[in-house]
Amino acid sequence: QVQLQESGPGLVKPSGTLSLTCAVSGGSISDNVWWSWVRQPPGKGLEWIGEIYHSGSTAYNPSLKSRVTISVDKSKNQFSLNLTSVTAADTAVYSCARDVRDRGIAPWGQGTLVTVSS
Amino acid sequence: SYELTQPPSVSVSPGQTARITCSGDTLPKQYAYWYQQKPGQAPLLVIYKDSERPSGIPERFSGSSSGTIVTLTISGVQAEDEADYYCQSVDSSDTYHVLFGGGTRLTVL
Repeated sequence: QVQLQESGPGLVKPSGTLSLTCAVSGGSISDNVWWSWVRQPPGKGLEWIGEIYHSGSTAYNPSLKSRVTISVDKSKNQFSLNLTSVTAADTAVYSCARDVRDRGIAPWGQGTLVTVSS
Repeated sequence: SYELTQPPSVSVSPGQTARITCSGDTLPKQYAYWYQQKPGQAPLLVIYKDSERPSGIPERFSGSSSGTIVTLTISGVQAEDEADYYCQSVDSSDTYHVLFGGGTRLTVL
């Protein structure tokens, strides 16, 4: 079955760029699905960041759109998140997931905590 | 833009029925999805397309929809069902984007 694993720095300085990668195994990044990023600040709820299709088409949360870029690397079967100009408010567990649209978002990666601090 | 509203908490005794609601103006037009999240774990899809249950999800989980309100019902609640539950839908009124409700903490007394 499809599995997803996030990787990237756990600490980012304020005003810097948060960069994460999600490796997909057990399935192809070129499947007819969308690949999503979701975050969850400590003790708070889920916030959708955005998603990408293997063609490169993207959809972003309007509240984050100016700072977010999601890209796909088909040769490595992975997709990535870049979030610029980060502040402490961007501290969260960042998770990647597969969005099968009408069949929901599943599975999810385990998530990785990214802390924004100097 | 649209929002999804959930009660912060619901409490039930074991064996009773828990109902968690989610309201939003997008719900008459878009499907709803429900996720269960236990502490330290990734969210797990328990209902899709308002009322469909993914493979492996117990039959005690069900979903329904009526106008601007969708409901997750857990019949015969068990201690292991204690978790946070999130509803999800989409807003395609302008550009497509995914919406999550604020989450409901289900406590099994």
